[in-house]
Amino acid sequence: EPEVTQTPSHQVTQMGQEVILRCVPISNHLYFYWYRQILGQKVEFLVSFYNNEISEKSEIFDDQFSVERPDGSNFTLKIRSTKLEDSAMYFCASTSPGQGINQPQHFGDGTRLSIL
Amino acid sequence: GESVGLHLPTLSVQEGDNSIINCAYSNSASDYFIWYKQESGKGPQFIIDIRSNMDKRQGQRVTVLLNKTVKHLSLQIAATQPGDSAVYFCAGLRRASGSRLTFGEGTQLTVNP
Repeated sequence: EPEVTQTPSHQVTQMGQEVILRCVPISNHLYFYWYRQILGQKVEFLVSFYNNEISEKSEIFDDQFSVERPDGSNFTLKIRSTKLEDSAMYFCASTSPGQGINQPQHFGDGTRLSIL
Repeated sequence: GESVGLHLPTLSVQEGDNSIINCAYSNSASDYFIWYKQESGKGPQFIIDIRSNMDKRQGQRVTVLLNKTVKHLSLQIAATQPGDSAVYFCAGLRRASGSRLTFGEGTQLTVNP
């Protein structure tokens, strides 16, 4: 069964540094998402991406964050000047076209980001 | 704002019993709901979904019930197995807000042998 893959599985970074989290969505999917989950808390929406542009973003997704689809398979989340509170699991998700947005989003296994 | 939440943070059942996990939502405009299962170290795994024009949907060993009157949905797992032990999240989506999913806090299901 096709799946969303994320790399790395764990990223440790010094505060103030930039990180790039990578995702390969399911190949025929066109809608892409980033979510995060702080330890012990619920999964929170960050951003959605469609047709090479951001379609929606949450209040969490400020100027520190950016997303990109640099080629036909990868979808990246960049966090500039990381802060301690950016430590969390970051999940990528994708969904298929056809019937619009009411399709299940399929998630990767996440990248655990630890800011020191 | 919109919120989705669960009634109980933990649920413990005996192997073979049926499990019922509950969820409430606040926004009557939510029109699509999904149940996800999350095992330790893994991402949320899709289990079953339901649209707001339905009140029941069945999958393999799972049933989701939606009561729009009281803004409540539940996930029923038949003949619960040890492999069902995980955190279960309900998530809602409101078409007018785009495609963001709003997650509840999760219920830890433990299946005792």
